[in-house]
Amino acid sequence: AAGVIQSPRHLIKEKRETATLKCYPIPRHDTVYWYQQGPGQDPQFLISFYEKMQSDKGSIPDRFSAQQFSDYHSELNMSSLELGDSALYFCASSPINPLSYEQYFGPGTRLTVT
Amino acid sequence: DAKTTQPPSMDCAEGRAANLPCNHSTISGNEYVYWYRQIHSQGPQYIIHGLKNNETNEMASLIITEDRKSSTLILPHATLRDTAVYYCIVKLSGWGKFQFGAGTQVVVTP
Repeated sequence: AAGVIQSPRHLIKEKRETATLKCYPIPRHDTVYWYQQGPGQDPQFLISFYEKMQSDKGSIPDRFSAQQFSDYHSELNMSSLELGDSALYFCASSPINPLSYEQYFGPGTRLTVT
Repeated sequence: DAKTTQPPSMDCAEGRAANLPCNHSTISGNEYVYWYRQIHSQGPQYIIHGLKNNETNEMASLIITEDRKSSTLILPHATLRDTAVYYCIVKLSGWGKFQFGAGTQVVVTP
């Protein structure tokens, strides 16, 4: 079965650079969630989209922005990167119609900021 | 969403049942209990969820107390591949963000 695809899987950037993470949800899933997991920490919700509109926002820095496109894929744009942004970034998708009780997580993108 | 409390870690022998407790004493009547697990650095994986009744699927069983203030996830025959952090999460429905708290690190040993 098709799963959530994230690219790239690994990314190394320097401080103050920008990064773009991409998420391709499972076909026919209209909702996308982004989570950040720092070293030794639990996943923390960043932002979500439903039908290309932002549906919820968590502790996402102002330096980050995200959007969902017409084909439902989503991109997380990160600017002025800081060392503390080094983390695993997970994308998850789920369908609203029919409503699913499960969020399907991708394999994650490991971002290292040096 | 209600908060949950889980033990930080537990060990389990391969082939034995693993019983993972979770306290959610402030759960409200329309909140579900979800269990996810995360195998090292992989994306979290859905295991099971329930509202009031006990639930079972191919991965696990979920036992919810009658007052709904606590629950137990049961892995009937733990394997080495079940070594992971297990998260108990209480939320209103499947839609919407999951708030991952401090889960239980389960280590299955041969």
